[in-house]
Amino acid sequence: DADVTQTPRNRITKTGKRIMLECSQTKGHDRMYWYRQDPGLGLRLIYYSFDVKDINKGEISDGYSVSRQAQAKFSLSLESAIPNQTALYFCATSTNPGTGELFFGEGSRLTVL
Amino acid sequence: AQSVSQHNHHVILSEAASLELGCNYSYGGTVNLFWYVQYPGQHLQLLLKYFSGDPLVKGIKGFEAEFIKSKFSFNLRKPSVQWSDTAEYFCAVNAANAGGTSYGKLTFGQGTILTVHP
Repeated sequence: DADVTQTPRNRITKTGKRIMLECSQTKGHDRMYWYRQDPGLGLRLIYYSFDVKDINKGEISDGYSVSRQAQAKFSLSLESAIPNQTALYFCATSTNPGTGELFFGEGSRLTVL
Repeated sequence: AQSVSQHNHHVILSEAASLELGCNYSYGGTVNLFWYVQYPGQHLQLLLKYFSGDPLVKGIKGFEAEFIKSKFSFNLRKPSVQWSDTAEYFCAVNAANAGGTSYGKLTFGQGTILTVHP
């Protein structure tokens, strides 16, 4: 089983719908992240959390929200999805304090029509 | 805040050719540097990393990278590529202390797609 698990792996939805992407990890890491990948833009950080009571905005947080339900769970929500949120989303974890090395999930491909 | 620039968006090579992918970062302090690889349809995996010490670091599958502090560069190299190296490669950096402990989040470059023809 993967150490960092994302669900769903693929999702097609319509504009205006609420979407939740979930991430769970068995690595025991304190730090969790949500990144978005778009062709030619690399990975951009949406939100990150250094522990259960800590939530921080990344560089592209508008239109997204997160919830850190437990050390092992970090979910990303799109309250009202729009087409330009079509992308591949990755959850990642790292140790605390650590070196910054990230351990990635398999990715969630979201298409907003 | 740090930023990362990868010079080539798409590199096309034949098998056995040598590879060098450029990566430059902008940050005045100590950094930790990483190269990640994403094979088609898969998630990102760590290829190699530099925290301190020997600026020439070796990673998996015959890859290596050299940290040149004066040039703010961390270029990835492989003497002879294989078809199975076809993937997208990402350079990443974060600020750190002298002991290698990171201060925060990782910043990624735009990625370089490598296509290797048999």
